[in-house]
Amino acid sequence: EVQLLESGGGLVQPGGSLRLSCAASGFTFSTYALSWVRQAPGKGLEWVSAISGSGDVRYYADSVKGRFTTSRDNSKSTLYLQMDSLRAEDTAVYYCAKSMFGGSGSYFDYWGQGTLVTVSS
Amino acid sequence: EIVLTQSPATLSLSPGERATLSCRASQSVSSYFAWYQQKPGQAPRLLMYDASNRATGIPARFSGSGSGTDFTLTISSLEPEDFAVYYCQQRSSWPRTFGQGTKVEIK
Repeated sequence: EVQLLESGGGLVQPGGSLRLSCAASGFTFSTYALSWVRQAPGKGLEWVSAISGSGDVRYYADSVKGRFTTSRDNSKSTLYLQMDSLRAEDTAVYYCAKSMFGGSGSYFDYWGQGTLVTVSS
Repeated sequence: EIVLTQSPATLSLSPGERATLSCRASQSVSSYFAWYQQKPGQAPRLLMYDASNRATGIPARFSGSGSGTDFTLTISSLEPEDFAVYYCQQRSSWPRTFGQGTKVEIK
């Protein structure tokens, strides 16, 4: 059974940093791209970033480019999102999502339960 | 960036009725298109991919159609568990984008 478990969310001040983790199980981790997708309170879904199975190709939304960094440790089956220079508009539930196909990010067939990041003073 | 525009924003229907949801892309995405369902407090669930293929475990009352810029999700007969928010998504180009959502509510 595929499982994705996010952690690391919490309250952080504007300008601060936070690192999210997503522990995966139930599939061959290194084969699949993974993405972060966020959802601000009461709002729709926003794709944030994606990383290839090998970790050598990464994509970012313009809204986070230069502030967020996605990485993965295939030996630990874990995905990370380093978030720096956080802003109030980054407040959201952050989901990690598995790509349906191998290679780069495609559709998202499995999702974690999400972790809430609140940016506020 | 490809913008996806969903309509209507809200669909008020009764159980047993047919639901038709639309999504229009600002440029062609071929058939690289998906639909998701999200219920309150839950993560999204993949319903359809490549415009017309049902994901694993999705009931046959869900169907998808379209290509290029215009796509439709049809629920042939609404079940109580189908009342939720539905999002479209494209994987034709980066950044991946979602529509703003259509809420299907009980009339």
